Parts: sequence; structure tokens; C-alpha cells
Amino acid sequence: LAKTTQPISMDSYEGQEVNITCSHNNIATNDYITWYQQFPSQGPRFIIQGYKTKVTNEVASLFIPADRKSSTLSLPRVSLSDTAVYYCLVGDPNQAGTALIFGKGTTLSVSS
Amino acid sequence: DAGVIQSPRHEVTEMGQEVTLRCKPISGHNSLFWYRQTMMRGLELLIYFNNNVPIDDSGMPEDRFSAKMPNASFSTLKIQPSEPRDSAVYFCASSPWTEYNRNYGYTFGSGTRLTVV
Repeated sequence: LAKTTQPISMDSYEGQEVNITCSHNNIATNDYITWYQQFPSQGPRFIIQGYKTKVTNEVASLFIPADRKSSTLSLPRVSLSDTAVYYCLVGDPNQAGTALIFGKGTTLSVSS
Repeated sequence: DAGVIQSPRHEVTEMGQEVTLRCKPISGHNSLFWYRQTMMRGLELLIYFNNNVPIDDSGMPEDRFSAKMPNASFSTLKIQPSEPRDSAVYFCASSPWTEYNRNYGYTFGSGTRLTVV
């Protein structure tokens, strides 16, 4: 599975847009980019997954440039409840026998 | 849907004792994963099953750890004997990976916080 690099921590204020960028220079052709969110004392929760260009759901948007060597998770108008650890993962979900390997993630702290 | 159910939520045991953690995956999910989380090492994949068969157990730290999945609705992770360094939060996750539904949308349980004293 491709290795990812993301900032250890980020700070923001309520109402701001937060963009967390993840680097994955060795991403393979069949790899997808997946983001998870983890609140304190809870298990990680799937947020969004994409292959290229832009993916949007009710929680976030994922921007993937043409070379796919990086991706940006965008959280619109964050609130205090968005304080969590965000993990960027890369892998091929079409390949049986693989599992997600989590890195350290980005700790997002939202203040009022 | 009750989600992935883990038990117990908290476990405190003495060094040397046997510990058994339990997991009930979401009905219909055919992949099950055991992860361990600590502040120092983050989230570590211990083992995962597909259709009740262990696929990769390379993350199991040592022979004291064993995992079973006797049927599609139940899995156990056993530590015998337990040691203080096994203290962590243990998560179970399940996924509906099939040939026709391929994604990395895992559903995690609430975890079991294990303390070995």
C-alpha cells in the first residue's frame, strides 16, 4: 500500500473552511484515496473516497489533481464538533486480500 | 442496524491472565479486521478475515495473541498470557467487500479499552 504524508496537526476556528492535504507520491494506478475521521474514544469513521478529480458528499469534499500524487480533504465551515483526527489512506479496494494501514493522521483542533 | 458490536467496553486484568475480546460484525459484511491503538504506535492492523478465513495475521505481535472467526457473525481476539504492554484500545471493524462492492468503507466498533496491571 502506498505511503502517505500529512500534517501532524492543524488549528482552525469555527465557521472557517479547512483543507487538509495529503501527499502520496507512490500511488499506484489502481489505488483509491480514502479519508477517515476519528473522534476521541471512538473508532474511525469513513468520510469519503475518490479516484480522481473531485468527490463531494454531505460531510466533505475531496480534491484530487490529475497526477494523483496528492489529495486535499476540504471541510466547509467547521464547527467545534469537527475536532478530530483525520487519516488519509491509499490502496486498491479492488484487490482482495488487502486491508487499510493507518498512519498517524492529522489532529484538527477547532476553537471558538 | 446495530453496527459493529464489541465486548467488553472496558477490561482490567492482571498480568498473566487470559483476556478474550469479542466482536460481532455487521450482518452481511464478509471482511473483519482487528486493530490496536496506542498513543505511541497509533492504529495497528493485527489481523483480518475474509469469509471467516484469516487472510493476513502478520500484524499479530507475538504468539500470545490469537484470533478466531468460527462463523460470519462472531470473532474473538485472545491474549494469553497478558502483559502490561498489551494495554491499548482494541477495535474491530467489518466491511462488505465483495467482487461487486469494492470499497474501503469499513465500519468500526466502539472498541475495548484493555488495561493490564
